[in-house]
Amino acid sequence: RKEVEQDPGPFNVPEGATVAFNCTYSNSASQSFFWYRQDCRKEPKLLMSVYSSGNEDGRFTAQLNRASQYISLLIRDSKLSDSATYLCVVNPAYKYIFGTGTRLKVLA
Amino acid sequence: GAGVSQSPSNKVTEKGKDVELRCDPISGHTALYWYRQRLGQGLEFLIYFQGNSAPDKSGLPSDRFSAERTGESVSTLTIQRTQQEDSAVYLCASSSPADRRETQYFGPGTRLLVL
Repeated sequence: RKEVEQDPGPFNVPEGATVAFNCTYSNSASQSFFWYRQDCRKEPKLLMSVYSSGNEDGRFTAQLNRASQYISLLIRDSKLSDSATYLCVVNPAYKYIFGTGTRLKVLA
Repeated sequence: GAGVSQSPSNKVTEKGKDVELRCDPISGHTALYWYRQRLGQGLEFLIYFQGNSAPDKSGLPSDRFSAERTGESVSTLTIQRTQQEDSAVYLCASSSPADRRETQYFGPGTRLLVL
């Protein structure tokens, strides 16, 4: 079993739609969780950290479920500019473990 | 302030040659990481430096790969006798000791093509 698993997609959604991604992780000792965004041929950039109580940043909401060992990302009112690959990242210690990413394409 | 920088941005080399990739972390970031990302794949951890501690080299795929870092500054990743399967984007990231969550900030990467 991979340490971090994501559905690779692609998720093709119309503008304005709400879309959700899940990510599961295997190391129950993991302490920090993140969502990164990676555009084509670019480096990953931090989208948001994921906190135990869940957190929201504008149109983006992240949730953590420690019991089931998954994290989620919800994007509301999708924009064309949201098209990218979303990487789930788990940090059991100093070493980041990356999922392979979920591709999102927002269609006009 | 300035972000993580990497050079060269692109490198084309012939099989069997050695290459050296450079990373300049964000000033004050004591932790530095190297990753490899093959086309269409996820990021693979290669090596981690933290201050003057011994590096974690557990991700280096073979003894052809090595990395150095002097103090808390520049790091170089060296690949000896390159093979075609080494073709990938090599990403460097750094993080601050003041950040409990150890958020990593990435450089733009070096695209390596081995012919």
